[in-house]
Amino acid sequence: DAGVTQSPTHLIKTRGQQVTLRCSPISGHKSVSWYQQVLGQGPQFIFQYYEKEERGRGNFPDRFSARQFPNYSSELNVNALLLGDSALYLCASSSPLQETQYFGPGTRLLVL
Amino acid sequence: GEDVEQSLFLSVREGDSSVINCTYTDSSSTYLYWYKQEPGAGLQLLTYIFSNMDMKQDQRLTVLLNKKDKHLSLRIADTQTGDSAIYFCAENGSNDYKLSFGAGTTVTVRA
Repeated sequence: DAGVTQSPTHLIKTRGQQVTLRCSPISGHKSVSWYQQVLGQGPQFIFQYYEKEERGRGNFPDRFSARQFPNYSSELNVNALLLGDSALYLCASSSPLQETQYFGPGTRLLVL
Repeated sequence: GEDVEQSLFLSVREGDSSVINCTYTDSSSTYLYWYKQEPGAGLQLLTYIFSNMDMKQDQRLTVLLNKKDKHLSLRIADTQTGDSAIYFCAENGSNDYKLSFGAGTTVTVRA
């Protein structure tokens, strides 16, 4: 079975631009979470979506938004990019009982 | 609140055992996790333990949980060069949707 997939793998943007990152969960998983991992730190929770509804949101500004589609894939949007948004963005899908999260390879975003 | 702490670095000789330690603060966590991250890659779930257990063994991996002290450890037996990576401890706190991670322990295996 395919694991969590994310696209693109790398992205370079300039300050003020907008970016959309994509994620497809493991087949059968209905929940998708997004995390930001800045270099040298552990991942920080941004959002979780379950059955297309937002279940939780971390301490991130409104420039960050997400949605989940009927096929359970998800997009993360970041508007008005700042240099500090440069990070590895990780998507995770949760097992049906929600006890484990499996991560994708991430999208590495560089903001210049 | 959540605050997961780990030591930052561990150097171990090939063939020896590695022990990575972690402390957490949220006593309502139902699960605690160990993830592995290799350079340039995402996070790989290594193992996890339910909070009412005190030990879990999975091949070369042994997880010990001391819930009273909020202390979690991961022992890797017969450490190999392929075990060189960053290891993250995580808890799910009072929510089953949000994982809180430590800063990671960089494990270096030397010949």
